[in-house]
Amino acid sequence: EVQLVESGGGLVQPGRSLKLSCAASGFTFSNYYMAWVRQAPKKGLEWVATISTSGSRTYYPDSVKGRFTISRDNAKSSLYLQMNSLKSEDTATYYCARHAQPTVAHADYWGQGVMVTVSS
Amino acid sequence: DIQMTQSPSFLSASVGDRVTLSCKASQNINKYLAWYQQKLGEAPKLLIYNANSLQTGIPSRFSGSGSGTDFTLTISSLQPEDVATYFCLQHNSWPLTFGSGTKLEIK
Repeated sequence: EVQLVESGGGLVQPGRSLKLSCAASGFTFSNYYMAWVRQAPKKGLEWVATISTSGSRTYYPDSVKGRFTISRDNAKSSLYLQMNSLKSEDTATYYCARHAQPTVAHADYWGQGVMVTVSS
Repeated sequence: DIQMTQSPSFLSASVGDRVTLSCKASQNINKYLAWYQQKLGEAPKLLIYNANSLQTGIPSRFSGSGSGTDFTLTISSLQPEDVATYFCLQHNSWPLTFGSGTKLEIK
């Protein structure tokens, strides 16, 4: 069974940093592109980052480019999101997701999400 | 970025009704459209990908159609457990973008 379990969320002040983790199991992690998607409270979904199977290619929307860094450790079946210079508008539930194919495709499995609150 | 527009924003229908949700892209996305169901407090669940392919384990009352810029999700016979918000996602080009969702309730 595919499982994605996020951790590392919490309350952080504007301008500070936070690192999210996602532990994957039930599939060969190194064979899949992985992603982070977020959802602000009572709002829609926003794709935040994607990383290739080897980690050599990463993709970000303009809203987080230069502030967020996605990375992975295939030996540990783990995905990470380093978030720097956090802003109030980064407040959201962050989901770890698996791309269905080894390319920038739709996501077929999602974790339960972890809440990040950016506030002073 | 490709803009995805969903309609209606809110839909109330009766059990057994045939329900149709719309998603329009601001430019051609070929067949690369997915539909997700999100129940309150849960993560999104993939229903349909590549516009009309049913994800494994999803009931056959869900179906998708369309290509290019206009897409539709149809629930052939609405069930109480279908109460949720439905999002479309274009996965034709980066950045991947979602529609704003259709909230579906039982009348």
